[in-house]
Amino acid sequence: DLVMTQTPLSSPVTLGQPASISCRSSQSLVHSDGNTYLSWLQQRPGQPPRLLIYKISNRFSGVPDRFTGSGAGTDFTLKISRVEAEDVGVYYCMQATQFPWTFGQGTKVEIK
Amino acid sequence: QVQLQESGPGLVKPSGTLSLTCAVSGGSISSSNWWTWVRQPPGKGLEWIGEIYHTGSTNYNPSLKSRVTISVDKSKNQFSLKLSSVTAADTAVYFCARGAPAPNAFDIWGQGTMVTVSS
Repeated sequence: DLVMTQTPLSSPVTLGQPASISCRSSQSLVHSDGNTYLSWLQQRPGQPPRLLIYKISNRFSGVPDRFTGSGAGTDFTLKISRVEAEDVGVYYCMQATQFPWTFGQGTKVEIK
Repeated sequence: QVQLQESGPGLVKPSGTLSLTCAVSGGSISSSNWWTWVRQPPGKGLEWIGEIYHTGSTNYNPSLKSRVTISVDKSKNQFSLKLSSVTAADTAVYFCARGAPAPNAFDIWGQGTMVTVSS
């Protein structure tokens, strides 16, 4: 299975300040069709996960532009330009390039 | 707007079979999407269980494959999960989700349902 490793596992952030989460895969996520199926999900407390970013850097419908995804190959990053109170939760990267689909361990974003 | 809603028993006995259903509303289960089950043990991360297309084609996580069956009922616009020989390790919140083919990502999620395995 492809192993997805996120760092840090916890990220205390001051409101209005940026946050960055790294996700590294154990193998390249470039699919044979040329796409890289790396997505980011947000899970607020007590809520189901919500899709934020797909194919590395594409913001899903309704996602604020303070969320930005980047990366290539095996290394990916999610950045929040200015953290707001509603951004508190756990963030997961997920790969859908190779079965079985796998998730990172999650990164908890909390306010200092 | 497509919505998903899980339903099923919240308590299952050890060695029994966990059975859940996900009702799809606001859209057709016969659309070009994969219908997925994901679970989350209390306080832990997400685990992909498997998925089904409306044709009945399935993909399963090898770690669960021997115990999992996912099926689709187009007449009821729903899909189902059966997990056999359950143990306490199968205690989790079970989510159904839609796998959209173009982004190849889970773009719509149900609220999730907690299933506890206990005697």
